[in-house]
Amino acid sequence: DGGITQSPKYLFRKEGQNVTLSCEQNLNHDAMYWYRQDPGQGLRLIYYSQIVNDFQKGDIAEGYSVSREKKESFPLTVTSAQKNPTAFYLCASSRQGANQPQHFGDGTRLSIL
Amino acid sequence: QKEVEQNSGPLSVPEGAIASLNCTYSDRGSQSFFWYRQYSGKSPELIMFIYSNGDKEDGRFTAQLNKASQYVSLLIRDSQPSDSATYLCAGSILTGGGNKLTFGTGTQLKVEL
Repeated sequence: DGGITQSPKYLFRKEGQNVTLSCEQNLNHDAMYWYRQDPGQGLRLIYYSQIVNDFQKGDIAEGYSVSREKKESFPLTVTSAQKNPTAFYLCASSRQGANQPQHFGDGTRLSIL
Repeated sequence: QKEVEQNSGPLSVPEGAIASLNCTYSDRGSQSFFWYRQYSGKSPELIMFIYSNGDKEDGRFTAQLNKASQYVSLLIRDSQPSDSATYLCAGSILTGGGNKLTFGTGTQLKVEL
């Protein structure tokens, strides 16, 4: 089955620790995205990538980093510089183009220990 | 001013009624609009998208777009309890770095028996 796989489903971070969230897709989509969702808020874009080895900052990139070494994979690292990392993190992918819908993985819930 | 605005609700409708969900946007460069349904604790799932003025129907769902008024809506006919969820509206803008979606904060829909 084609889809987007995010792991882990739940993640706990200690003070000063970097953690990496995994996102893999087998839909052959060129574009991949990371969003953060806080309670009562919509999705906010962290980073996005249209092609391998290239990515752009979204609206709330501070304290996060990404890489895009393979078309299928777009991992997100939440660094210790992100002081309020507790949130629901969603990865999405799409074909290129303004009319192309984005499809989401099941998400990762990150909490502070 | 938020780029995409939705009434947070909750919007309560009786089973079998028509639910009308509305969304306004501020960026006239927005090209396409997407409606996602999100159940509590789950990731968003795509319902419909629209990029031309007018109506687009898919089963019980109708999306409406009025670019002059910068207004998007989603009608759900014959509402069912299983339609109870938060509905997210998103607009897309094509940037140099690719396609960006901006999400509203969502409208909570409750379909009552």
